[in-house]
Amino acid sequence: QKEVEQDPGPLSVPEGAIVSLNCTYSNSAFQYFMWYRQYSRKGPELLMYTYSSGNKEDGRFTAQVDKSSKYISLFIRDSQPSDSATYLCAIREAGNNRKLIWGLGTSLAVNP
Amino acid sequence: EPEVTQTPSHQVTQMGQEVILRCVPISNHLYFYWYRQILGQKVEFLVSFYNNEISEKSEIFDDQFSVERPDGSNFTLKIRSTKLEDSAMYFCASMGNWANVLTFGAGSRLTVL
Repeated sequence: QKEVEQDPGPLSVPEGAIVSLNCTYSNSAFQYFMWYRQYSRKGPELLMYTYSSGNKEDGRFTAQVDKSSKYISLFIRDSQPSDSATYLCAIREAGNNRKLIWGLGTSLAVNP
Repeated sequence: EPEVTQTPSHQVTQMGQEVILRCVPISNHLYFYWYRQILGQKVEFLVSFYNNEISEKSEIFDDQFSVERPDGSNFTLKIRSTKLEDSAMYFCASMGNWANVLTFGAGSRLTVL
């Protein structure tokens, strides 16, 4: 089983839709959960960061972590064409190991 | 806002040639990384660097790869003898001592012909 699984999409939604992006993981030692956004031919940029379980909200974005199910989600409300990008989940263990384990990335297109 | 700077943005080279990709991490960061992303594929970890030495490297980071922090600001990735399959975007990233997130540069696109 891969350490992190993410459906690559592509996902296409109309402007204003609620978008749900998800990753599953296998290692229960993972404690830090991140969502990065990557525009075409650019480096990944941090969108949301969550430690352990729970929800975190930032504007139109909500990150959820369910450690019992080993499942993380990113919700985008009122999606905009400017949200069109690839969204990557990245996860790492606690402690000194700072290597991130990446999902494949989900390609999202928000159509005006 | 502080950023990670990478040069060149795009390099085209012949197979077998040496390539050096350069990165200037955020100035007070202590952890440095190289990742690569082959077109259409996942971001892959290559190597992490801390306290002037490699702290971890992946299977991809074989003997043809090396990293260096020659002058306290630059962080370089050298590929000694490039192969066609080295064609990819190479991302440098850095992280502060008390942070848990990486800041990425815009990437260097390497094309090996």
